[in-house]
Amino acid sequence: DADVTQTPRNRITKTGKRIMLECSQTKGHDRMYWYRQDPGLGLRLIYYSFDVKDINKGEISDGYSVSRQAQAKFSLSLESAIPNQTALYFCATSSAGGNYGYTFGSGTRLTVV
Amino acid sequence: ILNVEQSPQSLHVQEGDSTNFTCSFPSSNFYALHWYRWETAKSPEALFVMTLNGDEKKKGRISATLNTKEGYSYLYIKGSQPEDSATYLCAFPGRNSGNTPLVFGKGTRLSVIA
Repeated sequence: DADVTQTPRNRITKTGKRIMLECSQTKGHDRMYWYRQDPGLGLRLIYYSFDVKDINKGEISDGYSVSRQAQAKFSLSLESAIPNQTALYFCATSSAGGNYGYTFGSGTRLTVV
Repeated sequence: ILNVEQSPQSLHVQEGDSTNFTCSFPSSNFYALHWYRWETAKSPEALFVMTLNGDEKKKGRISATLNTKEGYSYLYIKGSQPEDSATYLCAFPGRNSGNTPLVFGKGTRLSVIA
């Protein structure tokens, strides 16, 4: 089983719908992140959490919300999806401190039509 | 949030060629510099985390060097193989602290032609 699991892998949804992307990990890491990848823009941070009671906005948090249900679970919600939220979404985890590599999930490809 | 720049954006090399690319980052208050390899249809995988000026890390045919005083890191691939084709990302903690998430460069996309 993958260390970091994202569901769904692919999703097509309509404008205005609420959608949740889920992430779970078996690494035992405290820190979890949601990034979004768009062609030509690289990975951009949406939200991050350093422990269960900690939630922080990233560079592009507008239109998104998150929930850290447990150390192992971190969900990303789009309350009312819009077409420019069409992207590849990655969840990642890490140990505390900036000198440990991140472990990424396999990604969720979201299309908003 | 500090920025990281990578060059070139893309690179095509012949199988067997050696190649290198650059990551530039703010040199003040350096904390750490990460390199990731991202193959198409897969997720990014950590290659190296570098913390000391002059550090050199190696994994097989891939190596990286770090100059924190001038704010750059080089990634080298010796004798490129088709399986090296991927996007190589560098990243560093956004405010040069261990308690800030990584800021990623846009990557260098390497294509190795057999």
